[in-house]
Amino acid sequence: DAKTTQPTSMDCAEGRAANLPCNHSTISGNEYVYWYRQIHSQGPQYIIHGLKNNETNEMASLIITEDRKSSTLILPHATLRDTAVYYCIVRVRETSGSRLTFGEGTQLTVNP
Amino acid sequence: DTAVSQTPKYLVTQMGNDKSIKCEQNLGHDTMYWYKQDSKKFLKIMFSYNNKELIINETVPNRFSPKSPDKAHLNLHINSLELGDSAVYFCASSQFSTPGQGSGYTFGSGTRLTVV
Repeated sequence: DAKTTQPTSMDCAEGRAANLPCNHSTISGNEYVYWYRQIHSQGPQYIIHGLKNNETNEMASLIITEDRKSSTLILPHATLRDTAVYYCIVRVRETSGSRLTFGEGTQLTVNP
Repeated sequence: DTAVSQTPKYLVTQMGNDKSIKCEQNLGHDTMYWYKQDSKKFLKIMFSYNNKELIINETVPNRFSPKSPDKAHLNLHINSLELGDSAVYFCASSQFSTPGQGSGYTFGSGTRLTVV
């Protein structure tokens, strides 16, 4: 699985958009970009994933650059409950025997 | 209904004891996992089972033995507990996806194991 680089921490004001970057310059053509988050003392939570097109769901939007070497997770209106560690993971499509490999992630703190 | 449930939530035990953590998922997923999160907050995979068959076995001491009686359950038994085993253990499940479909992992809420 390709390695990812994320900032260690970020701050965001409540109600504003939170834009979390991720670099994955060695991504392969068959690798997806997945985002998870872990709120303190809870299990990781799946947010969104994509291959090359931008994706949106009820939680967030995922913007992937045309060369696929970086991506941005966007939380359009951050709330205090969005304070968490956000993990960007690049891996092949989920198959039997595959695994999620977590890095250090970005600690997002949403401030009132 | 909790999708992936682990018991117990907290476990405090003495060194040398044997303990088990149970995990059940009601999502109909065919793959289950155990992850360990240490004090530095790194999440590392330990084991994975697909339809009761062990498919991932990371470099984990033999004292750790997973057991999957059916595809909805994956238990973790730990023998001769050591201080270094103190961590939060997360169970997770996923579905072997077919092309065009995507599903993430669903994690349990974790079991905080403290060995004293």
